[in-house]
Amino acid sequence: GAGVSQSPSNKVTEKGKDVELRCDPISGHTALYWYRQRLGQGLEFLIYFQGNSAPDKSGLPSDRFSAERTGESVSTLTIQRTQQEDSAVYLCASSPGGGLAGAEQFFGPGTRLTVL
Amino acid sequence: AQRVTQPEKLLSVFKGAPVELKCNYSYSGSPELFWYVQYSRQRLQLLLRHISRESIKGFTADLNKGETSFHLKKPFAQEEDSAMYYCALRGYQKVTFGTGTKLQVIP
Repeated sequence: GAGVSQSPSNKVTEKGKDVELRCDPISGHTALYWYRQRLGQGLEFLIYFQGNSAPDKSGLPSDRFSAERTGESVSTLTIQRTQQEDSAVYLCASSPGGGLAGAEQFFGPGTRLTVL
Repeated sequence: AQRVTQPEKLLSVFKGAPVELKCNYSYSGSPELFWYVQYSRQRLQLLLRHISRESIKGFTADLNKGETSFHLKKPFAQEEDSAMYYCALRGYQKVTFGTGTKLQVIP
């Protein structure tokens, strides 16, 4: 089956605009993660979903960032009033869920966001 | 709180030389530790996990609870090992990644 997919692959926006990034996890994966990867830096955890609830939102950098998930499928990450420091690659990953089976995360290709 | 530290941003070694990518962690419970790798223009993918005690592509990693480390080792580096390597810790409901180490194998 298909792996994790993300859209768009690239997004260029103007400062102050809102953007919406989409993640389609692997079918049947209950856990979904969003990360941010700034140029030359490591992975920064943003938010984690188990099903459609988000037990850990601690990584969201500000109230301009929000995320939703519909059931155990698609998730959207929304950034309102984008700033230049939001420019990064946004990665989504999914995993089967709890226990050892859920330990491996499968990553999408990322969305490269550029805020002008 | 859980934390993963990879002290080296860049590690350059010659082909055939031994490689050790360092990873230290902080976690109050019993950790599950992983190494992920990202080759150029490819997705981030799992390399190995401590619980499997496996060797993948010649790489091994041993969990040392006394030193809270999970260093990644390979006796003889190959050019195709050049990539970005991330150490990750799975704690309660969350996975924390280190900042990554770029391994550069010089031919």
